[in-house]
Amino acid sequence: NAGVTQTPKFRVLKTGQSMTLLCAQDMNHEYMYWYRQDPGMGLRLIHYSVGEGTTAKGEVPDGYNVSRLKKQNFLLGLESAAPSQTSVYFCASSQLAGGPETQYFGPGTRLLVL
Amino acid sequence: GQNIDQPTEMTATEGAIVQINCTYQTSGFNGLFWYQQHAGEAPTFLSYNVLDGLEEKGRFSSFLSRSKGYSYLLLKELQMKDSASYLCAPMDSNYQLIWGAGTKLIIKP
Repeated sequence: NAGVTQTPKFRVLKTGQSMTLLCAQDMNHEYMYWYRQDPGMGLRLIHYSVGEGTTAKGEVPDGYNVSRLKKQNFLLGLESAAPSQTSVYFCASSQLAGGPETQYFGPGTRLLVL
Repeated sequence: GQNIDQPTEMTATEGAIVQINCTYQTSGFNGLFWYQQHAGEAPTFLSYNVLDGLEEKGRFSSFLSRSKGYSYLLLKELQMKDSASYLCAPMDSNYQLIWGAGTKLIIKP
């Protein structure tokens, strides 16, 4: 039982390049989330999914796209990376939306855009 | 708007007690979470409060006052491994977690 895993762990991109971050969970959770974390700021929700085949925008969705083709996977895409997207990206999953159901986090992907 | 306020940094001594405060304003309320995050790692769940009062879990306790928009995390018998950031996260009416920037807790011997 690996929980939530993220690929890759670290990546350097040049401005304008594209990439996809992969999140996988083996807990059969319905809900999945993508956050970014920047120094001095709280986690900010980029996109989320309430089930296979569904996605929704979070607080900061611009410049990102997502897909949830399989229940266990949630992909985050950057079509044209910008330096402002330099951040640590965390994926999380939960079985339910409300408390006390907790969100389980992956180890994070550190992205540097030059 | 939605807002979370918690101290940026706190320092405490090993073996002592520390209280980390959090005030919040959210659109609706569906409970409040505390998470721990060690440097370079993912956040991990510590506690959840939905009703007013104190929830105790070993060395950690969390308190909630909904009318005041206030919560605190109490850590007793501090250990060096408790050096981490502590994130306050109330859940709004859309069941979204609203995250504070976190309080970096430094434990000194």
